[in-house]
Amino acid sequence: DAGVTQSPTHLIKTRGQQVTLRCSPKSGHDTVSWYQQALGQGPQFIFQYYEEEERQRGNFPDRFSGHQFPNYSSELNVNALLLGDSALYLCASIGGGIGYEQYFGPGTRLTVT
Amino acid sequence: GEDVEQSLFLSVREGDSSVINCTYTDSSSTYLYWYKQEPGAGLQLLTYIFSNMDMKQDQRLTVLLNKKDKHLSLRIADTQTGDSAIYFCAESTASNTGKLIFGQGTTLQVKP
Repeated sequence: DAGVTQSPTHLIKTRGQQVTLRCSPKSGHDTVSWYQQALGQGPQFIFQYYEEEERQRGNFPDRFSGHQFPNYSSELNVNALLLGDSALYLCASIGGGIGYEQYFGPGTRLTVT
Repeated sequence: GEDVEQSLFLSVREGDSSVINCTYTDSSSTYLYWYKQEPGAGLQLLTYIFSNMDMKQDQRLTVLLNKKDKHLSLRIADTQTGDSAIYFCAESTASNTGKLIFGQGTTLQVKP
């Protein structure tokens, strides 16, 4: 049983560019949450997708957007990248829509120069 | 408001017990979690406890919850060098299980 997978592993972008990160949830899970983890900090909730819609959102600007596909996989898009967007981006999947066990992927390390 | 606080660093000798502490402010917190993060890796769910429980034990791990004081602790018995990592406490509410609020993490250093 594959766990949560994310791609790419690492990414280097320039300020002002756009980036797309991808996540495939754990088998049987239909809900995906995205988190940003700055160096030395705990993860911060960005948003959650369920049934292909954004169900809730944290305190992140509209430059952060997402999408969920019919197979439950998800993308995180960040436009107009800032240096402060450099972080580890983590995807978590949940089963059953209202389940409480969240399983995290290995993350994508984004560096903005 | 939602806030989770942890001490930043703990150092123990191999074979000793480790106790990592966490406090939270949201009285509606229903689920409380402990995650482990090794260098360069994602988060591994170690264990969780419902707010109507006082204690949960899972092999070497014991979670204690004092709901009155909003205090959560994770005890690791017979700590091994492989337990060296950052440990995160997190909470969510019944109406918002998808959103985890994390502490800043406690770095556990295990000395041989």
